[in-house]
Amino acid sequence: EVQLVESGGGLVQPGGSLRLSCTVSGFTFSSHWMRWVRQAPGKGPEWVANIKEDGTDSYYLGAVRGRFTISRDNAKNSLYLHMNNLRAEDTAVYYCARGRGHAMDLWGQGTMVTVSS
Amino acid sequence: QSVLTQPPSVSGAPGQRVTISCTGGWSSLGAGFDVHWYQQLPGAAPKLLIYDNDNRPSGVPDRFSGSKSGTSASLAITGLQAEDEADYYCQSLDRSLGAYVFGSGTTVTVL
Repeated sequence: EVQLVESGGGLVQPGGSLRLSCTVSGFTFSSHWMRWVRQAPGKGPEWVANIKEDGTDSYYLGAVRGRFTISRDNAKNSLYLHMNNLRAEDTAVYYCARGRGHAMDLWGQGTMVTVSS
Repeated sequence: QSVLTQPPSVSGAPGQRVTISCTGGWSSLGAGFDVHWYQQLPGAAPKLLIYDNDNRPSGVPDRFSGSKSGTSASLAITGLQAEDEADYYCQSLDRSLGAYVFGSGTTVTVL
């Protein structure tokens, strides 16, 4: 069964840090670009970051560039999002998603990140 | 404000056909980038419905179809069913932003 399972969300104060994880199963993780997408409460999805199959290239939404880092460990079938200097506007459900061309064909169930004092 | 504009809501009776439009600009759909569509049921993650303008992933009913022309795209749902009540989002790439962008979203209501 194909699965993407996110973890690591929670409540964090403004300026704090958090690391999200996404563990996948059921497909060859190392053969796919992977993405993080977030969705603020009551809003539509917003792409956050991409990482190439071998981890050698990555791209970021302008609003998170310099604060967030996407990474992966193909040996562990895992994707990560390191988030620093968090702001209230980063509050959202964070999804990991598998890339299919420029689309996202598989999504996890999401993990909630709340930035609040 | 989304780069891709969708109507906030559409509705139809069971069995009817509804369409959802997605309008972009010359740096997204008009630049030749493909459009993709997602369905999001209440409380669930988005699900890919249409990719590369008019292709359905395995398992998606052929009641769903997509098209693209110039700076606009459309998702059509024929034979509307109660289970189609959901939010629908278009998505593409924007060259100016250097980012994947999503539409503003459309809520489909089955009357």
